[in-house]
Amino acid sequence: GQQLNQSPQSMFIQEGEDVSMNCTSSSIFNTWLWYKQDPGEGPVLLIALYKAGELTSNGRLTAQFGTTRKDSFLNISASIPSDVGIYFCAGRPIIQGAQKLVFGQGTRLTINP
Amino acid sequence: GAGVSQSPRYKVAKRGQDVALRCDPISGHVSLFWYQQALGQGPEFLTYFQNEAQLDKSGLPSDRFFAERPEGSVSTLKIQRTQQEDSAVYLCASSYRPGTGANTEAFFGQGTRLTVV
Repeated sequence: GQQLNQSPQSMFIQEGEDVSMNCTSSSIFNTWLWYKQDPGEGPVLLIALYKAGELTSNGRLTAQFGTTRKDSFLNISASIPSDVGIYFCAGRPIIQGAQKLVFGQGTRLTINP
Repeated sequence: GAGVSQSPRYKVAKRGQDVALRCDPISGHVSLFWYQQALGQGPEFLTYFQNEAQLDKSGLPSDRFFAERPEGSVSTLKIQRTQQEDSAVYLCASSYRPGTGANTEAFFGQGTRLTVV
């Protein structure tokens, strides 16, 4: 099925470093979402973006909805051990009535203390 | 309950066996989604309900997959004649309580891990 191109696939960083990951698509989306998934759990919503160009923060997390509506990025500042996990971008296709989300392949974040 | 509840958490099925996976959405949520997540991948959409109506089933991979939500609350995803490629985590999500004034994004359950042997 259709998936977004998310990069990088994995990151190994030191505690306190900043993190950046992004997502691109060949299709236009009217919503971009960023989720975090811990082992054995379902994805948990971190940030939701609804307008092209929108920049939104949630604590140490900042995400932007690209102006072309085909990309988004997530930044995490001053990483801490609990940031470890898998981060997914998700987009909602710009099709009338579409409610489903299309997910990226995920970015696995590992933090060395 | 406070969150989306899925059961069982783990299911091992022999190839060819039928399975039924249950989802209890957040009380009052009208929208319900099923996603399939293969190992190391992102979730992939299977189907969407609004109340009891199945409005989108475009993601169901074959006619062996069937979902229902007869009373607009609990939903069941049934897989007939399971195959090894059906092994995955099946996630349920619900959203949108009318009257709140907000169309919230979906909350996900913990998923059911299905292993077909």
